[in-house]
Amino acid sequence: DAKTTQPPSMDCAEGRAANLPCNHSTISGNEYVYWYRQIHSQGPQYIIHGLKNNETNEMASLIITEDRKSSTLILPHATLRDTAVYYCIVRSWNNAGNMLTFGGGTRLMVKP
Amino acid sequence: NAGVTQTPKFRILKIGQSMTLQCTQDMNHNYMYWYRQDPGMGLKLIYYSVGAGITDKGEVPNGYNVSRSTTEDFPLRLELAAPSQTSVYFCASGGGGKQFFGPGTRLTVL
Repeated sequence: DAKTTQPPSMDCAEGRAANLPCNHSTISGNEYVYWYRQIHSQGPQYIIHGLKNNETNEMASLIITEDRKSSTLILPHATLRDTAVYYCIVRSWNNAGNMLTFGGGTRLMVKP
Repeated sequence: NAGVTQTPKFRILKIGQSMTLQCTQDMNHNYMYWYRQDPGMGLKLIYYSVGAGITDKGEVPNGYNVSRSTTEDFPLRLELAAPSQTSVYFCASGGGGKQFFGPGTRLTVL
């Protein structure tokens, strides 16, 4: 699975959009981009995933560049409860164990 | 629908003791996983299972054992606990990249 690079930390004002970037320049054609988050002391929570088209659900939007070498997770109106570590994970569709490899993630701090 | 449940929530072990961390899921998922997370670090995969009777090693399997006799249960066994196994342990189930995690077991080995 491709390696990902994320900034270690970011701040966002409450009510504003939080844009979390992820670089995955070595991604291959059969690899999906997944986003998870981990609120302090809790288990990780799935947010969204995509292959090449932009995706949106009730939690967030995922924007993947046309060359698929990077992506951005958007939380449209961040709240204090969105303070968490956000993990960007690239995983191939035929990963034998459906495994996920968690890197360091981005620690998002939403401030009042 | 409880999702993924783990017991116990907290445990303190002495060096050399053994214990089993329990994990149960009620979503009928074939895939189940055990991760550990050391303070300030990301999750590392210990073992995983693709179905009842089938298990395989992850990134950090040494010092642990697993079994999968049913779809629902995936216990993790620690033999001869060591201080290096002090960590938070998360169980997960799912497939296709979408995993559902339990609340974790915080283990301290003294």
